[in-house]
Amino acid sequence: GQQLNQSPQSMFIQEGEDVSMNCTSSSIFNTWLWYKQEPGEGPVLLIALYKAGELTSNGRLTAQFGITRKDSFLNISASIPSDVGIYFCAARIQGAQKLVFGQGTRLTINP
Amino acid sequence: EAQVTQNPRYLITVTGKKLTVTCSQNMNHEYMSWYRQDPGLGLRQIYYSMNVEVTDKGDVPEGYKVSRKEKRNFPLILESPSPNQTSLYFCASSLGGPYSNQPQHFGDGTRLSIL
Repeated sequence: GQQLNQSPQSMFIQEGEDVSMNCTSSSIFNTWLWYKQEPGEGPVLLIALYKAGELTSNGRLTAQFGITRKDSFLNISASIPSDVGIYFCAARIQGAQKLVFGQGTRLTINP
Repeated sequence: EAQVTQNPRYLITVTGKKLTVTCSQNMNHEYMSWYRQDPGLGLRQIYYSMNVEVTDKGDVPEGYKVSRKEKRNFPLILESPSPNQTSLYFCASSLGGPYSNQPQHFGDGTRLSIL
């Protein structure tokens, strides 16, 4: 089945630094989503991408749908302590009712 | 407030004792789904439902059952729980049918420990 390879698995950065993470696959997808999960809560949608090449921002977050439709990245600029959490990519092929998730990137920020 | 509500949030139980985790959404969403989250594996889909009385298996359905008698509720049933079902479970819902691009909204999770 489809698999998403998300990297890095964890990041330890200083407050104010920029963050970059990505997801790759050997399969082609029609939708890429990025979620953030905080301790004790469910994933919350950050950004949704529906077209190859699409670049979308949400505040300090920017995500892109890769032109090959096999990858996506998420950037966070000027990180702050509340950015701490686990970030998941997810993707779906057209017409499919399931999302495939990456393994997650755990972000830790040193003040 | 639009939300997906799961109960219980935490449960410790023993092998073989049937349990049900309830999920309810107040957004009139057609699509509902259950996932389990395990370290290093991300979220894996257990079952999903595209509408009332329509359910289908996800990637890891073994040992689980679901039902969708009403649009708002989608309970997850473990008839005979085993320790390998110890996990963090999430219910999710979204608007729209098979060709919808609507993203899923997740509940806050249920942590199950099967001893």
